[in-house]
Amino acid sequence: NAGVTQTPKFRVLKTGQSMTLLCAQDMNHEYMYWYRQDPGMGLRLIHYSVGEGTTAKGEVPDGYNVSRLKKQNFLLGLESAAPSQTSVYFCASTQGLAGGYNEQFFGPGTRLTVL
Amino acid sequence: TQLLEQSPQFLSIQEGENLTVYCNSSSVFSSLQWYRQEPGEGPVLLVTVVTGGEVKKLKRLTFQFGDARKDSSLHITAAQTGDTGLYLCAGVGTSYDKVIFGPGTSLSVIP
Repeated sequence: NAGVTQTPKFRVLKTGQSMTLLCAQDMNHEYMYWYRQDPGMGLRLIHYSVGEGTTAKGEVPDGYNVSRLKKQNFLLGLESAAPSQTSVYFCASTQGLAGGYNEQFFGPGTRLTVL
Repeated sequence: TQLLEQSPQFLSIQEGENLTVYCNSSSVFSSLQWYRQEPGEGPVLLVTVVTGGEVKKLKRLTFQFGDARKDSSLHITAAQTGDTGLYLCAGVGTSYDKVIFGPGTSLSVIP
């Protein structure tokens, strides 16, 4: 099993350009998440999905859109990139069981620079 | 809004020393998790604590969940260079769909 994979690993954009980050998981997990990680701020939730065809906003959703058309994939889109979106982006998935044992499995991250 | 605070933000110690990292919140969580992240990689779960007052041990690491389920601590005994990394605490909300991460404690263990 590959676990959680992210594409691409690195990307440089110019202000105003658009791009899509792809996350794929092969663990049949229900829940998937997109985070951004900035120095000193830990992981901040951008958007998440509790199942195929559903999405919800997290802490910092502005400037991003997501789609979950297939259970195994979760796409993060930047329509018009801004320098403030320079960050490392992590995707994660979890089975989503009640009871607190929601281990999140993370991808290796995508390092995005917006010039 | 649920927030988690961690202290200290940075910690540099000699190999063999003991250390404690704290995670605090004003909110109650259904459970609390600790992750470790190494440079260039995603976080990896170390432990989940669920019951108030719970103590879990993983070799040299001891995790405690506060009685009120608002705070937690991670104690490392006889630190090794392999313990170097970013330690993140994460609170699982009562609806179980979201996890809130703290800002992390960056630990450097010097040989």
